[in-house]
Amino acid sequence: AQSVAQPEDQVNVAEGNPLTVKCTYSVSGNPYLFWYVQYPNRGLQFLLKYITGDNLVKGSYGFEAEFNKSQTSFHLKKPSALVSDSALYFCALNSGYALNFGKGTSLLVTP
Amino acid sequence: NAGVTQTPKFQVLKTGQSMTLQCAQDMNHEYMSWYRQDPGMGLRLIHYSVGAGITDQGEVPNGYNVSRSTTEDFPLRLLSAAPSQTSVYFCASSYSPWTGALYEQYFGPGTRLTVT
Repeated sequence: AQSVAQPEDQVNVAEGNPLTVKCTYSVSGNPYLFWYVQYPNRGLQFLLKYITGDNLVKGSYGFEAEFNKSQTSFHLKKPSALVSDSALYFCALNSGYALNFGKGTSLLVTP
Repeated sequence: NAGVTQTPKFQVLKTGQSMTLQCAQDMNHEYMSWYRQDPGMGLRLIHYSVGAGITDQGEVPNGYNVSRSTTEDFPLRLLSAAPSQTSVYFCASSYSPWTGALYEQYFGPGTRLTVT
């Protein structure tokens, strides 16, 4: 079965520090991976995706993600966190006509 | 463009009642889908559509019906509401029907449904 896992329910980081939100995947064949962000009481917003090509994918709001095939991971990163980055982050894997979402990781950036 | 719109924003139903959650998009997207979001469970796909007149079931379709008579609209019907359907419901659309999941999905603001 194709799935993604987000091993951390919550990540805390101080403003200005680098942040990483982890995602691992399980798929037969090539993975198509996405990151979405959800701010309180809002719908999800697309951040970035990996389809093929460079293992480092750049996305919106200064986020990037590193695809690692040997470790089956697609971790979301940002060099310097902002308080406004505090939100719920979802990793997702393409599965036919749908996306399989992870359970989400709550990111809290403290001043 | 308004993007993806959903109505109502909030709804309280009694067990056994029926209702329709509305979803519309003005981006001429072929692919549309409905998800439910429950704490600690991420988003789970209920139904999806790859074009007008074509719908299919997702991971958790029981208790829900959909239809797609136009490109713009994709309503979700709860036939007989149950407390287990208390959730936040999101509609999403995407550019391509056949590789829809490979493209960015645009999400509506959600409908928060409580069934008592």
